[in-house]
Amino acid sequence: KQEVTQIPAALSVPEGENLVLNCSFTDSAIYNLQWFRQDPGKGLTSLLLIQSSQREQTSGRLNASLDKSSGRSTLYIAASQPGDSATYLCAVEGNDMRFGAGTRLTVKP
Amino acid sequence: GAGVSQSPSNKVTEKGKDVELRCDPISGHTALYWYRQSLGQGLEFLIYFQGNSAPDKSGLPSDRFSAERTGGSVSTLTIQRTQQEDSAVYLCASSPQSLTGWYSGNTIYFGEGSWLTVV
Repeated sequence: KQEVTQIPAALSVPEGENLVLNCSFTDSAIYNLQWFRQDPGKGLTSLLLIQSSQREQTSGRLNASLDKSSGRSTLYIAASQPGDSATYLCAVEGNDMRFGAGTRLTVKP
Repeated sequence: GAGVSQSPSNKVTEKGKDVELRCDPISGHTALYWYRQSLGQGLEFLIYFQGNSAPDKSGLPSDRFSAERTGGSVSTLTIQRTQQEDSAVYLCASSPQSLTGWYSGNTIYFGEGSWLTVV
């Protein structure tokens, strides 16, 4: 059974700081990995999707990397802003889709 | 609308009552998922529908939980004899079927969830 772990569970940083969120998974037989953002009271929004054959994806200030063999992914957020405050979840797609518990990010003005 | 629609958005029910939660996926999406998220917890997989295939029910926590998908579109998640530990947000998501298999990197789209409180 695939298990997805995210570290840290919570993170608070001052505005402008660069930060890294970590995701690890136990079964490397995946099709892809996605990073999602969840705002309070809202559903999830897909941020980046990395296919299993890819190493990274970039969108604006976000960069996600994937090392399938070691079961790890990172989400890098550059020049963080208060609007980035949310919970970030990673999910791996294999026989189904498994999510981590998320990292709750707070960016202080 | 063009997104995944869930109803009700909020539901407060008494312990022991049955509840039904509805999900309208994006038109044309053949894959439909139900997840549950308790306060402070990650997403818990409940059930997965793909086209006309038998659903993957491996995540349903007990036999009080069941789900149907009629006509390959709308899905209903039913919780019988609700308990306080069933209180959570229930998220539905849909995804288009890939050409090469059930899963192939298609983005998954989530509804805003049904917030269930059992009192």
